[in-house]
Amino acid sequence: DARVTQTPRHKVTEMGQEVTMRCQPILGHNTVFWYRQTMMQGLELLAYFRNRAPLDDSGMPKDRFSAEMPDATLATLKIQPSEPRDSAVYFCASIAANSYEQYFGPGTRLTVT
Amino acid sequence: QKEVEQNSGPLSVPEGAIASLNCTYSDRVSQSFFWYRQYSGKSPELIMSIYSNGDKEDGRFTAQLNKASQYVSLLIRDSQPSDSATYLCAVLTDSWGKFQFGAGTQVVVTP
Repeated sequence: DARVTQTPRHKVTEMGQEVTMRCQPILGHNTVFWYRQTMMQGLELLAYFRNRAPLDDSGMPKDRFSAEMPDATLATLKIQPSEPRDSAVYFCASIAANSYEQYFGPGTRLTVT
Repeated sequence: QKEVEQNSGPLSVPEGAIASLNCTYSDRVSQSFFWYRQYSGKSPELIMSIYSNGDKEDGRFTAQLNKASQYVSLLIRDSQPSDSATYLCAVLTDSWGKFQFGAGTQVVVTP
């Protein structure tokens, strides 16, 4: 069945290292979201794309985070350099055209030591 | 000020009882509202959407919307232990699909 996939599922890295997370949206979905979830802040929108074009990335710390969609089947979220406060679960979600039903990926659990 | 407010819980509900979850939002122009369920360690999954004032029923779930009061709720009838999860209220904030999520209400159904 169709689902959003994310890699890696878990990532442990040291402060200062680059982290890249990948997302494959459901085939045919044209809007892709990146969220971050922590106990303290809940689910926060970092950035989202429609037809691969960035619509809003105001939720991202611009100095260290970047999000791209190299093609319709791949979205990436990079953190460089990573910091301990970036430790969280990062979710990717996608929706189809003419729909607002979001389908979430399994998430990437990031731990920065 | 948070735009979408939920009681964090935990809301303890006896098995078979009705669980009632509330959500308020601040943006009066919001038109579309959603409830997601999130099990511990899992990703959110959509369980209900509601766009018009009134009630919408789907199985054991009923969503209620009152736009004048900026209030949306979720009722879970005949609660089961499998309903134990965190329930997130989401409000659509633009026409492209941008959502504002509440912090979630944890529901614990006790046998």
